[in-house]
Amino acid sequence: QKEVEQNSGPLSVPEGAIASLNCTYSDRVSQSFFWYRQYSGKSPELIMSIYSNGDKEDGRFTAQLNKASQYVSLLIRDSQPSDSATYLCAPEAAGNKLTFGGGTRVLVKP
Amino acid sequence: DAGVIQSPRHEVTEMGQEVTLRCKPISGHNSLFWYRQTMMRGLELLIYFNNNVPIDDSGMPEDRFSAKMPNASFSTLKIQPSEPRDSAVYFCASSPPGHGGFFGEGSRLTVL
Repeated sequence: QKEVEQNSGPLSVPEGAIASLNCTYSDRVSQSFFWYRQYSGKSPELIMSIYSNGDKEDGRFTAQLNKASQYVSLLIRDSQPSDSATYLCAPEAAGNKLTFGGGTRVLVKP
Repeated sequence: DAGVIQSPRHEVTEMGQEVTLRCKPISGHNSLFWYRQTMMRGLELLIYFNNNVPIDDSGMPEDRFSAKMPNASFSTLKIQPSEPRDSAVYFCASSPPGHGGFFGEGSRLTVL
């Protein structure tokens, strides 16, 4: 079992719809969770962080965390073509160590 | 702040040559990470430092890879000798405690 599992996609959504991305992790010690966006040929960019169970909203993005289920998700509301990218889930273990999932490629169609 | 600065941005070398990648982290960040990204294996953590001290190098593929952080503002990743399978994009990232990592633009390495 991989430490961090994500559906590789592509997740194809029409413009204006909600994109829902899921991530499961195996390390129960993880307390902090991060979502990164990576455009093709670019470096990962931190877009969301979540530290406690429940929802956290930031603009069009909502992160959801359920530590009991070892599950974290990212919702992108009102998806735009500029949201087309790969989204990487990264739980943080002890010592600031981030382990990345393989990423979900999102394609927003106009 | 200029962000994490990596050099070179692109490196093409021949098998057997030594490669040195450089990183300047964001000032005040106490953690520094070296990652490698390929299509096949995704983003892999190679090594990370806290307060200039190597904490976990379990991701370093083999003895041909080494990393140093002589001070808080500079780190190097060295591959000697390089092999074609080392071709990848190498990212450096830095972070304050519990804040995730801020990535540099990466160094694209091609070993012929």
